[in-house]
Amino acid sequence: GEDVEQSLFLSVREGDSSVINCTYTDSSSTYLYWYKQEPGAGLQLLTYIFSNMDMKQDQRLTVLLNKKDKHLSLRIADTQTGDSAIYFCAESKAGFQKLVFGTGTRLLVSP
Amino acid sequence: DTAVSQTPKYLVTQMGNDKSIKCEQNLGHDTMYWYKQDSKKFLKIMFSYNNKELIINETVPNRFSPKSPDKAHLNLHINSLELGDSAVYFCASSQETDGEQFFGPGTRLTVL
Repeated sequence: GEDVEQSLFLSVREGDSSVINCTYTDSSSTYLYWYKQEPGAGLQLLTYIFSNMDMKQDQRLTVLLNKKDKHLSLRIADTQTGDSAIYFCAESKAGFQKLVFGTGTRLLVSP
Repeated sequence: DTAVSQTPKYLVTQMGNDKSIKCEQNLGHDTMYWYKQDSKKFLKIMFSYNNKELIINETVPNRFSPKSPDKAHLNLHINSLELGDSAVYFCASSQETDGEQFFGPGTRLTVL
């Protein structure tokens, strides 16, 4: 079955790095994603990684994938107050079809 | 120049009523989706339409009926509303069935 889990809450200080973790159960997942949801808004795709990759970096964002442990993480360098939001990881088997979302991690960045 | 828009933004109604939520995208995309986000922020796909044809239906009660009059619109009609239908409903669209999905701002439905 499909199950995607995340820790519910993370609090960091401005300027620190944030690491948001995600575990999934479906070993046939081929794409893994990170979405950001700001208060009162829809979801915004931040980045995604194919299952045959270990790491992807995009400016302040670094995604690490441990396929053996089915563990995905998102590192945000130099976290800013504007990064405060809920972050969802998601997986799918084929492209962006039928995304299965995690439970979401609420990131709070304090000045 | 809103890409994916939904109306209304908020909807408060009584149990047993019938209501509709509208979604429009001006991106020229072929595929549209409806997601439900519950009070614990758990987000799950409900439906997906490609070129006005249903391609995903995720075990949603038949009180929920999506309607796609054209490629740019996917409306969600809900009959006999129940308390458990209270949630935020998100519409999304993508160029193809496996393309990046762009989300609307959501409609918060409260059933009293």
